Amino acid sequence: GAGVSQSPSNKVTEKGKDVELRCDPISGHTALYWYRQSLGQGLEFLIYFQGNSAPDKSGLPSDRFSAERTGGSVSTLTIQRTQQEDSAVYLCASSRDGGYNEQFFGPGTRLTVL
Amino acid sequence: GQQLNQSPQSMFIQEGEDVSMNCTSSSIFNTWLWYKQDPGEGPVLLIALYKAGELTSNGRLTAQFGITRKDSFLNISASIPSDVGIYFCAGQGARGSTLGRLYFGRGTQLTVWP
Repeated sequence: GAGVSQSPSNKVTEKGKDVELRCDPISGHTALYWYRQSLGQGLEFLIYFQGNSAPDKSGLPSDRFSAERTGGSVSTLTIQRTQQEDSAVYLCASSRDGGYNEQFFGPGTRLTVL
Repeated sequence: GQQLNQSPQSMFIQEGEDVSMNCTSSSIFNTWLWYKQDPGEGPVLLIALYKAGELTSNGRLTAQFGITRKDSFLNISASIPSDVGIYFCAGQGARGSTLGRLYFGRGTQLTVWP
């Protein structure tokens, strides 16, 4: 079956603009995670969804970052008033549920803020 | 937060050589995972370890979950050019953390010379 998909694959925006990043998890996976990867760094947790609710948003760096998930499937990560330090690859992962299950990653969205 | 120390940061080896990398943590994890990331792609799961002391193989890859639950290593035997990439360790299930949330090491960049 299809893996995790993300769109767009690349996004270049100007400082101060808002951006929306989309994630389509593997069908039937109830848990969804967003991570951020800055150049040469490991992955940094942002937010976790179980179904449509987000039990853990503790990794969101500021109130400019928000995310939602509808229908227990697609998730959108929104960054308002983008800053240059937001430039990174944003990765989405899904797993069968929120337990100790394997997480499968999408290809990521590379965000560049000019 | 939980810190994962992954070493070495980079490795340059000749095709056919064996490779070893490891990860240590200040916290106990319930699960250790190893991922490989190619340029422009999301991480791909290589091996998942669920029990302290567990030794698991996947082809030329062997990984172990440390007895203390605070460390793991990954070995690659008889390396080939397609092993090139960044290898990440990840811990899951630390005390006080969201179920399923992954904590990542900073990665080991592997270069294989033909």
